[in-house]
Amino acid sequence: DAGVTQSPTHLIKTRGQQVTLRCSPKSGHDTVSWYQQALGQGPQFIFQYYEEEERQRGNFPDRFSGHQFPNYSSELNVNALLLGDSALYLCASSPIAPGGADTQYFGPGTRLTVL
Amino acid sequence: SQQGEEDPQALSIQEGENATMNCSYKTSINNLQWYRQNSGRGLVHLILIRSNEREKHSGRLRVTLDTSKKSSSLLITASRAADTASYFCATVLYGNKLVFGAGTILRVKS
Repeated sequence: DAGVTQSPTHLIKTRGQQVTLRCSPKSGHDTVSWYQQALGQGPQFIFQYYEEEERQRGNFPDRFSGHQFPNYSSELNVNALLLGDSALYLCASSPIAPGGADTQYFGPGTRLTVL
Repeated sequence: SQQGEEDPQALSIQEGENATMNCSYKTSINNLQWYRQNSGRGLVHLILIRSNEREKHSGRLRVTLDTSKKSSSLLITASRAADTASYFCATVLYGNKLVFGAGTILRVKS
């Protein structure tokens, strides 16, 4: 049974560009959350998707947007990249609807470097 | 913004010793969870303790929760070199949005 998978593993972009990161949840999971982890810090919640809709959002600007597909996979899009967007982006999935599950399963992350 | 603080920021011990990490948080919670992260990659869930629980065990892990002091501790007994990692506490108020602390870096020397 595959766990949470993310692609790509590493990515290098320049300021002002746009980036799309992808996540496939663990089998049987329908809720996907995205987190940003800057170097030396704990992860920060970006947003969460369930039933193809954004259900919760953290304190991130509108440059950060997402999408969830009918197969529960998800994308994170970041527009107009800034140097400060350089971080490890983590995707996490959980088995049932928001509010009904506690444990989240994390993917290995995508390391984004903005030059 | 981070929910709280982990203490210490870094901890270095010998194999076989116990490691204790503390976590403080600021708001009411539904539950508190501990995660491990190896070499800046994905996080692995270790243990969850609910707001109405005071202590929980899982293998070599023992977690306590004091909601009156808004604090939790993670004890790893008989540590091994493979326990070397960063450890994060995360709180949940509603839904399953995790709010993480800054983490404790644990190094276990063999």
